[in-house]
Amino acid sequence: NAGVTQTPKFRVLKTGQSMTLLCAQDMNHEYMYWYRQDPGMGLRLIHYSVGEGTTAKGEVPDGYNVSRLKKQNFLLGLESAAPSQTSVYFCASTAWARSTDTQYFGPGTRLTVL
Amino acid sequence: DQQVKQNSPSLSVQEGRISILNCDYTNSMFDYFLWYKKYPAEGPTFLISISSIKDKNEDGRFTVFLNKSAKHLSLHIVPSQPGDSAVYFCAASAGSGGSNYKLTFGKGTLLTVNP
Repeated sequence: NAGVTQTPKFRVLKTGQSMTLLCAQDMNHEYMYWYRQDPGMGLRLIHYSVGEGTTAKGEVPDGYNVSRLKKQNFLLGLESAAPSQTSVYFCASTAWARSTDTQYFGPGTRLTVL
Repeated sequence: DQQVKQNSPSLSVQEGRISILNCDYTNSMFDYFLWYKKYPAEGPTFLISISSIKDKNEDGRFTVFLNKSAKHLSLHIVPSQPGDSAVYFCAASAGSGGSNYKLTFGKGTLLTVNP
């Protein structure tokens, strides 16, 4: 099992450009999440999905869109990138079938917006 | 409003000694707590968890203590090793096993274990 993978690992954008970050998991997990990590801010939830075809807003959703067309994939889109979106983005997934289930994280995507 | 607080941004300890990382929470609905460990350029990895029905959970060198009345939990690492040097995140959820699937994270504590 590859677990949770993220594509790309690094990206540099100019202000106003768009891009899509791809998250894939091979654990048949129902729930998937996108977080951003900024210095001194911890992990903040952007959007999440509780199943194929569903999405919901997290703590900091503005400027981002998501789609979950297939159970194993969760896409994070930036339509018009801004310097404030410079961050490290982590995807996570969980089965959450039991109360002891935890979230498994991908290796992250480092995004710089100039 | 920060619901999970890790008030110490960093902690430095000597190899072999005990490391104690602290976490406070404000939401009384939280009933499941986790600690994640994160090395640079990697994603967070699960370390240990505790349910609100317990006050202690041990896994090898790692022990998590929960004080519900004080809304406080702590992670003890004994003995500390240089490989434990990482950022530790405290996280909490409400309604575990039910309808709430989200984790709320603290800002993290950077632990440095000196040889």
